[in-house]
Amino acid sequence: GQQLNQSPQSMFIQEGEDVSMNCTSSSIFNTWLWYKQDPGEGPVLLIALYKAGELTSNGRLTAQFGITRKDSFLNISASIPSDVGIYFCAGRSSSGGSNYKLTFGKGTLLTVNP
Amino acid sequence: DGGITQSPKYLFRKEGQNVTLSCEQNLNHDAMYWYRQDPGQGLRLIYYSQIVNDFQKGDIAEGYSVSREKKESFPLTVTSAQKNPTAFYLCASRPTTGRNQPQHFGDGTRLSIL
Repeated sequence: GQQLNQSPQSMFIQEGEDVSMNCTSSSIFNTWLWYKQDPGEGPVLLIALYKAGELTSNGRLTAQFGITRKDSFLNISASIPSDVGIYFCAGRSSSGGSNYKLTFGKGTLLTVNP
Repeated sequence: DGGITQSPKYLFRKEGQNVTLSCEQNLNHDAMYWYRQDPGQGLRLIYYSQIVNDFQKGDIAEGYSVSREKKESFPLTVTSAQKNPTAFYLCASRPTTGRNQPQHFGDGTRLSIL
């Protein structure tokens, strides 16, 4: 099956620092999504990317759809304590046809020290 | 308010017992999904449904069953055949009109074994 490698697995940073995480795929994706999950809650969509090379921002968050269509990254600038949580990437393979199924990375656990 | 409601928030299962997790959405979404989340793991797809009265197995369907009798409801039954049911279960939905609409998630049900 498809595999998605997300790194780093965890990060410990100081408030105000910038953060970068990425996902790489073994196959070509036509959609990349980035979600954030707080403890005991469902993931919340942060950014959706639909085109190779696309760069999209949502406040302090910026994500890019890699040119090869096999990777994506998420940057968080000037981190704040409420950025704490698990960040997941998810991708939809271009071979999925009419079925919309996502493959998820294992997540990046972000801890922000005030 | 529109959204995806999962209930109960916490559920305990005895050995040999079937339990049913509820997922209801009032977003008028056609497609609905069930995922299982284990600590340190990404989300794994159990079952999905793109239209009423139709559903497909995901990657880890064994020991689970679903029904889709109404557009707004997609209950998941964890059967006694599922030998390791302890996990966080997430329901998601998405509209199928418009291209590549992303999935949105409920707040999950945590299932534990007594």
